[in-house]
Amino acid sequence: AQSVTQPDIHITVSEGASLELRCNYSYGATPYLFWYVQSPGQGLQLLLKYFSGDTLVQGIKGFEAEFKRSQSSFNLRKPSVHWSDAAEYFCAVGGGYQKVTFGTGTKLQVIP
Amino acid sequence: EADIYQTPRYLVIGTGKKITLECSQTMGHDKMYWYQQDPGMELHLIHYSYGVNSTEKGDLSSESTVSRIRTEHFPLTLESARPSHTSQYLCASSGLGGQVGGYTFGSGTRLTVV
Repeated sequence: AQSVTQPDIHITVSEGASLELRCNYSYGATPYLFWYVQSPGQGLQLLLKYFSGDTLVQGIKGFEAEFKRSQSSFNLRKPSVHWSDAAEYFCAVGGGYQKVTFGTGTKLQVIP
Repeated sequence: EADIYQTPRYLVIGTGKKITLECSQTMGHDKMYWYQQDPGMELHLIHYSYGVNSTEKGDLSSESTVSRIRTEHFPLTLESARPSHTSQYLCASSGLGGQVGGYTFGSGTRLTVV
């Protein structure tokens, strides 16, 4: 069965600092991988997705993620965090027409 | 600008009441989904639809039901609400290519049953 692990429940970074959110997945074939962001009281918004090609994927809001098959990871990164990036981030895995499985999320707090 | 709309945003209702959570999308997406979200937990798929007159139960057992009479509309109904139904309900849709393109989510309905 497919699964997603986000080991960090909560992360705090200073504004302007770099950010890396971890995601590990379990999937029997080539996965489709996603990162979503959820602001308080809102639904989820797609940040970026990977399903083939270049393993470094660029997304919206200055985010990027790198697919590492050998480590079953798809970590999200941003070189310089802004206060508006404070939100909850969800990693997800799926494949073709398989249903998507979401992780439990990482809450990001940004301090001035 | 939201292309998928959920109403109401917040709902407080008494035990035993029947409720319907509305979800509509304007993108012409064939596939629609309902997720249940609790704090600190992963999103759980409770219902999905791959087109008109097609509905399936998801991974998480739910006492709710859904219908898909029109492409754009995917309401979720609880016949008799209980406190255990208190949660956030998220509706999503996806277009051609299924899950490859990612989902578009609504803003959610936060349900409290007292």
